[in-house]
Amino acid sequence: SQTIHQWPATLVQPVGSPLSLECTVEGTSNPNLYWYRQAAGRGLQLLFYSVGIGQISSEVPQNLSASRPQDRQFILSSKKLLLSDSGFYLCAWSVFSEAFFGQGTRLTVV
Amino acid sequence: DQQVKQNSPSLSVQEGRISILNCDYTNSMFDYFLWYKKYPAEGPTFLISISSIKDKNEDGRFTVFLNKSAKHLSLHIVPSQPGDSAVYFCAASDGAQKLVFGQGTRLTINP
Repeated sequence: SQTIHQWPATLVQPVGSPLSLECTVEGTSNPNLYWYRQAAGRGLQLLFYSVGIGQISSEVPQNLSASRPQDRQFILSSKKLLLSDSGFYLCAWSVFSEAFFGQGTRLTVV
Repeated sequence: DQQVKQNSPSLSVQEGRISILNCDYTNSMFDYFLWYKKYPAEGPTFLISISSIKDKNEDGRFTVFLNKSAKHLSLHIVPSQPGDSAVYFCAASDGAQKLVFGQGTRLTINP
């Protein structure tokens, strides 16, 4: 069966520090991978999606970047965090249209 | 530009009654629609979906209706149970594997 791992579950980082959130998927090949952020009043905002290794599409201009170094690995990064980067970040995968989510990372930038 | 909209941020329903959650979309290229349920501090979990070639899909207590001409879909939960209290997200896909979500509706089932 397919599983998705996302870590860490919670993270507190100072403003200006770097960020790296990792997501891995098991039990499937060549999945589409997504990073979402849940923000009050905006629901689940799609940040990045990837249909293959090295292929990243950015949906919203921001202080974040994403990379897919391996087929089942998706990384969300920032060189310098802003206060506005605080939020609940979710990784997801899909093979067809249905998406399956990780447990999320609560990021607090202080 | 919010392509998928859930205009009701919250809904309160008595246990045993019907819960109706609504969703509107603007992109006519969307051809697959999904509903997700989310508890606090957890990832969303898939509930039910519908393809644009259908106008209704039923799974137990959950039924999704699609009105393509109105670009509107709804989720019906009958009968509503306390465990249904959660945030519900509507999502749409345009076949390019990009899933776009609405803002969510917080459903509260009162005993």
